[in-house]
This record gives sequence, C-alpha cells and structure tokens, in this order.
Amino acid sequence: EAQVTQNPRYLITVTGKKLTVTCSQNMNHEYMSWYRQDPGLGLRQIYYSMNVEVTDKGDVPEGYKVSRKEKRNFPLILESPSPNQTSLYFCASSLMGGTGELFFGEGSRLTVL
Amino acid sequence: AQSVTQLGSHVSVSEGALVLLRCNYSSSVPPYLFWYVQYPNQGLQLLLKYTTGATLVKGINGFEAEFKKSETSFHLTKPSAHMSDAAEYFCAVRVENTGTASKLTFGTGTRLQVTL
Repeated sequence: EAQVTQNPRYLITVTGKKLTVTCSQNMNHEYMSWYRQDPGLGLRQIYYSMNVEVTDKGDVPEGYKVSRKEKRNFPLILESPSPNQTSLYFCASSLMGGTGELFFGEGSRLTVL
Repeated sequence: AQSVTQLGSHVSVSEGALVLLRCNYSSSVPPYLFWYVQYPNQGLQLLLKYTTGATLVKGINGFEAEFKKSETSFHLTKPSAHMSDAAEYFCAVRVENTGTASKLTFGTGTRLQVTL
C-alpha cells in the first residue's frame, strides 16, 4: 500500500530535549516536505527536499533541521524544542513535476512543555 | 508570490443541503489548484485538482469545483451534504517557479459541520 509513515504520532516533551520525528515513504517520490498545522494558520511549510542530499527552507524553518540521506526518509529534527513548536506536524511527498499532488502522512502531534 | 484565501473558517449545513466552500487565489501565472480534505485525526487527502483543460472538475465523494479565472476563484461544491462530509477542507495553489522547487500554498482551512 502506498503510504507516508510518520513516527511518533503523539509526543510530549520538555523544553530543550532534542527530538526527531521520522518520515518514510514507499512511493519512490523525489519530493518530500514538512508542514506544521496550527489553528487559524492552515499548513505552513517548514522544509522541503527535491531529492537526496538536496534540502531547502520553507516558510517557517527556524528551530528545525532536516536531512535527506536516503530517498525514502526525511526526518525532522528539533535540536532544542520550545513551547512555540507545539503543533501538529505533517510529512508529505510527491513526484517532481507533473501536477505535484502531495501525499500526506497521518500527522505527529507534538507538545513541548 | 501566490496566496489563497478561504472565506469562512466554519460552515454549517443541514444534511441534504448544498455545500459551498469558497476559495480565492492570487497568482501571476496560471496556477494548479487543489482541494484537500482532513478528517479528524488523519492526514490530508486529495479531493480534486485543476491543472489545465476543463474548468469544472469532479472529485471524490460527489464534490466538484469550478475554476473561474476572471474571478480568481475555485469554490468547492456538493449538491447534497452527508454527515460523513464533516471535516476540514483546505484549498491550495501551486505555481511552477523556475529555479526553485514548486510548492503548494495552503489556505487556512474551512471546517464543515453537517447537522441533522
């Protein structure tokens, strides 16, 4: 089954404790992206990657890091989480070119105390 | 840069009534337009999309949308609402940018409530 898998789905952590949210897709997509969803703000792009070893900042990259060592994986790293990073995070992937339909994971709800 | 405006953060309709969710976009070049739906505790899934050609596009679950260039709109409609349509709906625009990755810009979402 074609899917984007995120882990963990739910996480509560404390300020400053490094964490990683993993994302994996099995559709051989070149393009992957991370979004955060906050009430009243919709989805905002954090980082994206057009292919292995190619990453770039989205609209709200501060406080986040990503890496793309393999085509299928695109982890999101919070080196020193802060309460304003409490949010619902989505990973998504698509083929490059074409209509660019995004396929989304089920989301990871992060709470930073 | 492109942007998307969804009028109405909450819309409530009765079961069987017409659903109309509004979306307006701004783009300096012909856009690709999308509607996504998010059911509770789930990710977003594609409802329908407009790329080129026919301006009235049909999607899943009986939804359709019409691209109106003169009005810069892409409103989502369904003739008869069902309880299972209760969800949050996002309009998105994608514009190809030379030299940078194309990406989707999302609206802020409209939560649809369906009442008996």
